[in-house]
Amino acid sequence: KAGVTQTPRYLIKTRGQQVTLSCSPISGHRSVSWYQQTPGQGLQFLFEYFSETQRNKGNFPGRFSGRQFSNSRSEMNVSTLELGDSALYLCASKGQGALNSYEQYFGPGTRLTVT
Amino acid sequence: GDSVTQMEGPVTLSEEAFLTINCTYTATGYPSLFWYVQYPGEGLQLLLKATKADDKGSNKGFEATYRKETTSFHLEKGSVQVSDSAVYFCALTSGYSTLTFGKGTMLLVSP
Repeated sequence: KAGVTQTPRYLIKTRGQQVTLSCSPISGHRSVSWYQQTPGQGLQFLFEYFSETQRNKGNFPGRFSGRQFSNSRSEMNVSTLELGDSALYLCASKGQGALNSYEQYFGPGTRLTVT
Repeated sequence: GDSVTQMEGPVTLSEEAFLTINCTYTATGYPSLFWYVQYPGEGLQLLLKATKADDKGSNKGFEATYRKETTSFHLEKGSVQVSDSAVYFCALTSGYSTLTFGKGTMLLVSP
């Protein structure tokens, strides 16, 4: 079974621009979550999508948004980029396993650098 | 809210030494607990998990026991290898898909 894939792997953008990151979950998984990883703040939850609906949202400004398509692929968008948005953005997918099965499987991440 | 506290690193060990990375948590209800590992330039890999009190998760020689009375989930390995050098994250979820992570502990193993 193929793992979680994220594209692109690396991205360099300028302040004020916007960016779209893509995530394809493991086949059959319907839940996709996004996390931001920075040296200062560590790993922080952005949002989760399940069956094309946002199910959970972290404490990030409205510049961060996402969506999920009918094939469970997800995109996240960051508008009006700031230097502080430079981070590794990780996507994780989760299947509908047995009760109490909360394993999330992560992709390799997209490294975003804002200059 | 939920929180996870890990020992700060880096933890520096010689090959074949015993490893302990401490993790304690604060959560409402009965969380599931996880250890993830991140190798340089990669995403997170699930190392092991425990879903209820006294459960022991184990994988690749690593072990951790869910201790409800001390709200801890310490990671241990009897004999580390150079290839174990990575950053280790303790995490929990309280029934939703949101994972709450500790800040990570870097492990450096020298030959």
